[in-house]
Amino acid sequence: DAGVIQSPRHEVTEMGQEVTLRCKPISGHDYLFWYRQTMMRGLELLIYFNNNVPIDDSGMPEDRFSAKMPNASFSTLKIQPSEPRDSAVYFCASSRTEIYDEQFFGPGTRLTVL
Amino acid sequence: GQQVMQIPQYQHVQEGEDFTTYCNSSTTLSNIQWYKQRPGGHPVFLIQLVKSGEVKKQKRLTFQFGEAKKNSSLHITATQTTDVGTYFCAGPKDSNYQLIWGAGTKLIIKP
Repeated sequence: DAGVIQSPRHEVTEMGQEVTLRCKPISGHDYLFWYRQTMMRGLELLIYFNNNVPIDDSGMPEDRFSAKMPNASFSTLKIQPSEPRDSAVYFCASSRTEIYDEQFFGPGTRLTVL
Repeated sequence: GQQVMQIPQYQHVQEGEDFTTYCNSSTTLSNIQWYKQRPGGHPVFLIQLVKSGEVKKQKRLTFQFGEAKKNSSLHITATQTTDVGTYFCAGPKDSNYQLIWGAGTKLIIKP
């Protein structure tokens, strides 16, 4: 298996632009998580899905952030409009059916908003 | 709210010295997971502990889960350069299926 795939790996954009991050989870995994990592705040869970349904989005910082999972093999995290404080590494992770199973992380997308 | 505290934030060691990181939860945990993140990399699962007082070993790494299931530790014997990175503990949130992450302990090998 290729593992969790994320694209792009690096994104540099200007303030006010729309940013879309993409994730392909491991096949057969029922849970998908979006995290943000910064030096100041560490690793933060933004939202997670179970069987393509958003379960908890309480970590989404504000309405500028939205996430979708149209099918079991694809998810997006969108920031519109982007701001410099959104600069961070965004990780997607997936896990199997069993509750509290280990999470498999993708390589991350390093986002820089100028 | 529920918290998972991890100390220390950084630990500088000479190669060959031991390293320990500690994790404390504000609530009893059903299990605890440990992850390692290499510099520039992503978190990678190391182990999950489930039972009270459980001790598990992976070569030079020893993981412990406290009797009360509120604390855990990771001990590395005779550190090597390949051990460099940040070690995270994570425990399940009481109310739903997600992990509460510790802030991580960064292992730095002194030159």
